[in-house]
Amino acid sequence: DAGVTQSPTHLIKTRGQQVTLRCSPKSGHDTVSWYQQALGQGPQFIFQYYEEEERQRGNFPDRFSGHQFPNYSSELNVNALLLGDSALYLCASSPWGQPQHFGDGTRLSIL
Amino acid sequence: GIQVEQSPPDLILQEGANSTLRCNFSDSVNNLQWFHQNPWGQLINLFYIPSGTKQNGRLSATTVATERYSLLYISSSQTTDSGVYFCAVERDSNYQLIWGAGTKLIIKP
Repeated sequence: DAGVTQSPTHLIKTRGQQVTLRCSPKSGHDTVSWYQQALGQGPQFIFQYYEEEERQRGNFPDRFSGHQFPNYSSELNVNALLLGDSALYLCASSPWGQPQHFGDGTRLSIL
Repeated sequence: GIQVEQSPPDLILQEGANSTLRCNFSDSVNNLQWFHQNPWGQLINLFYIPSGTKQNGRLSATTVATERYSLLYISSSQTTDSGVYFCAVERDSNYQLIWGAGTKLIIKP
């Protein structure tokens, strides 16, 4: 049984570019949440998707957007990248209202 | 918003030692989870423990919800226990995890 899978594992972009990160939830999980973890800090909640809709959103600008597909997989899009967007981006999945399980993350570096 | 504080921020121990990590939270929570993030960044669920005590091998956790704290115990530490331990809480029913800053644990052989 595959766990939460994220792609790519590493990514290097330059300021002003756009990036798309992908997440496949664990089998049987219909809820996907995205977190940003800066170096040396705890993860910060970006948003959560359930039934293809954004259900909750953390304190992140509109440059951060997402999508959930009918098969429950999800994408995180970040536009107009800033140096401060460099971080580990974590995807977590769960059945609605249950504990979250995390993928290995995507390390995004902005030059 | 709710605040989550973890202590100590750093802990260095010899292999075989025992340790206790603490998580305080400023308001009532629906749920609390403990995670271990290994040096490669992988985040592993340890416990889902809104209240009470749970044990899993050398690890155990206790949450006293009425007093707004949780403790993670690690016994007979091994070098593979090294990494950062995070406490995360869930407020109300919105399922958004709010994280502490973590305790960085280094186990020396």
